Amino acid sequence: EVQLVESGGGLVQPGGSLRLSCAASGFTFSRNWMSWVRQVPGKGLEWVANIKEDGSDKYYVDSVKGRFTISRDNAKNSLYLQINSLRAEDTAVYYCVRPRGDYWGQGTLVTVSS
Amino acid sequence: DVVMAQSPLSLPVTLGQPASISCRSSQSLVHSDGNTYLNWFQQRPGQAPRRLIYKVSNRDSGVPDRFSGSGSGTDFTLKISRVEADDVGVYYCMQGTQWPYTFGQGTNLDIK
Repeated sequence: EVQLVESGGGLVQPGGSLRLSCAASGFTFSRNWMSWVRQVPGKGLEWVANIKEDGSDKYYVDSVKGRFTISRDNAKNSLYLQINSLRAEDTAVYYCVRPRGDYWGQGTLVTVSS
Repeated sequence: DVVMAQSPLSLPVTLGQPASISCRSSQSLVHSDGNTYLNWFQQRPGQAPRRLIYKVSNRDSGVPDRFSGSGSGTDFTLKISRVEADDVGVYYCMQGTQWPYTFGQGTNLDIK
């Protein structure tokens, strides 16, 4: 059974940082691109970042470039999202996703507030 | 960026009746590899999105055959032949042809 389990969300002050993690199991993680998608509570979905199988290529949506860094550790079957210089508009549920869209985690909530 | 425009945004449907959601993209979604990466997702309250349809018209495993996808180029449709209570939720189209991948605004389906 495929599982994607996110962790690391929480309440953080504007300007702060967080590192989100995603533990993958049930499929060959190292052979798959992976992604982060976010959703402001009660709102729509935004595709945030993609990373190639070996981590050599990364793509970001313009709104997070320079502040977010996607990375992975294939030995640990884990995906990460380092979020810096957090803003109120980054408040969202962050999902770990296989880019085909067929595998989603349950999400982890990041709340940016003073 | 490719803009995905869904209509309607709200869709009240009587149980057993059909439903249809339109999705239009601002650019052709035909990829250079010949595929059209247009997906449909269902999101039930409190849950993560679930993919229903991939590459325009391919139904995911476990998705009832009441759900069907069609279209080409920039114009796509999700149809539910007979709505059931379990279908309540928000439906999103999403393009994976061009980065950044983008979603439609969502269509909120509920029961009349």
